[in-house]
Amino acid sequence: KAGVTQTPRYLIKTRGQQVTLSCSPISGHRSVSWYQQTPGQGLQFLFEYFSETQRNKGNFPGRFSGRQFSNSRSEMNVSTLELGDSALYLCASSPSGQSYEQYFGPGTRLTVT
Amino acid sequence: AQSVTQLDSQVPVFEEAPVELRCNYSSSVSVYLFWYVQYPNQGLQLLLKYLSGSTLVKGINGFEAEFNKSQTSFHLRKPSVHISDTAEYFCAVSEDDYKLSFGAGTTVTVRA
Repeated sequence: KAGVTQTPRYLIKTRGQQVTLSCSPISGHRSVSWYQQTPGQGLQFLFEYFSETQRNKGNFPGRFSGRQFSNSRSEMNVSTLELGDSALYLCASSPSGQSYEQYFGPGTRLTVT
Repeated sequence: AQSVTQLDSQVPVFEEAPVELRCNYSSSVSVYLFWYVQYPNQGLQLLLKYLSGSTLVKGINGFEAEFNKSQTSFHLRKPSVHISDTAEYFCAVSEDDYKLSFGAGTTVTVRA
């Protein structure tokens, strides 16, 4: 089976812009989780989607949002970008959302200038 | 709420020497425990996990970890490292079955 894919792999945006990142889960997986990785805050949970519904959300401002499509692909959106949003955004898929079955993609490296 | 402490931020080690990466967690409930590895410009790869049962867990690439409930620790060990083990290692816990809480990471540098 193909692994989790994330596009694009690298992205440069300017403060104030918005950005959309995409994640395609492993075939048959219905849950997608998103994490943010920064040098200062480490790895932090953003949100989790299952069958097109957001089930769980981390402690991030409303500028961070996401959605999941009927084919389980997921997108996350960050509006009004700030310098502090520069990070590696990781997506993980699992068959039904359990933490012990999460498989991570390679990440999207977002740089905000 | 749980927290994860990785006691060493950097661990230099010579090739073929043993290595131990320390991880402590705080939680008032039963947890699942994980170790992940991250190579440069890559995502996270699961090394091993503890869900229940035997406290000694064996993972990929010769790694193993021991769960110690009384000390709330989950230390990772490898008896003989290779240059290719140079990477960042993350300990993680999950107490609510859907999200992972990660430690700050330990950078392992293997020298010839």
